[in-house]
Amino acid sequence: LAKTTQPISMDSYEGQEVNITCSHNNIATNDYITWYQQFPSQGPRFIIQGYKTKVTNEVASLFIPADRKSSTLSLPRVSLSDTAVYYCLVVGAGSYQLTFGKGTKLSVIP
Amino acid sequence: SAVISQKPSRDICQRGTSLTIQCQVDSQVTMMFWYRQQPGQSLTLIATANQGSEATYESGFVIDKFPISRPNLTFSTLTVSNMSPEDSSIYLCSVGPGQGYVGANVLTFGAGSRLTVL
Repeated sequence: LAKTTQPISMDSYEGQEVNITCSHNNIATNDYITWYQQFPSQGPRFIIQGYKTKVTNEVASLFIPADRKSSTLSLPRVSLSDTAVYYCLVVGAGSYQLTFGKGTKLSVIP
Repeated sequence: SAVISQKPSRDICQRGTSLTIQCQVDSQVTMMFWYRQQPGQSLTLIATANQGSEATYESGFVIDKFPISRPNLTFSTLTVSNMSPEDSSIYLCSVGPGQGYVGANVLTFGAGSRLTVL
């Protein structure tokens, strides 16, 4: 399983764009990059998943360079409600083996 | 995505007792998993609950301590047996895509059951 490395914590002001970068140097050919969000007292919630280039949905964008050894989760114009822990995972196609790292604790400041 | 209901949401238990956590899903799902999240830590997979067969446990977790039932495609239970304070954690149920779903391998998680063992 590819190991991921991401910052332990980040602070941001409301209204700013937040970019959280994740390193996954040992990603395999059939691995997907998946991000989850976890609020206090809740289970993780799927945000976005991608294989290469750029993926965008109503919540976030995911940028993946050609070598796929890293990825960046971009949250546009964050609000206080985006304060959460964000987990970057690398998951094999067809696999349900999720290995959670420590995640990035994002604190949005008024 | 599936909606998961876990009971109890929280409980305070005495050392040496056992507690069963229930996980109910609003649709039939093939894959069901149990995770543990210790205070301030990340999630660790305990086991995969297989319908019609014994659960598959991850390294460090054993059936005698965490017996699991999966009687049908919408329900599972996890029992934490002979509890000690070290078992104080949040226990989360999660499920994979429902039957017939074609897409990415994404899991949906319940809100978790917060256990405190005194």
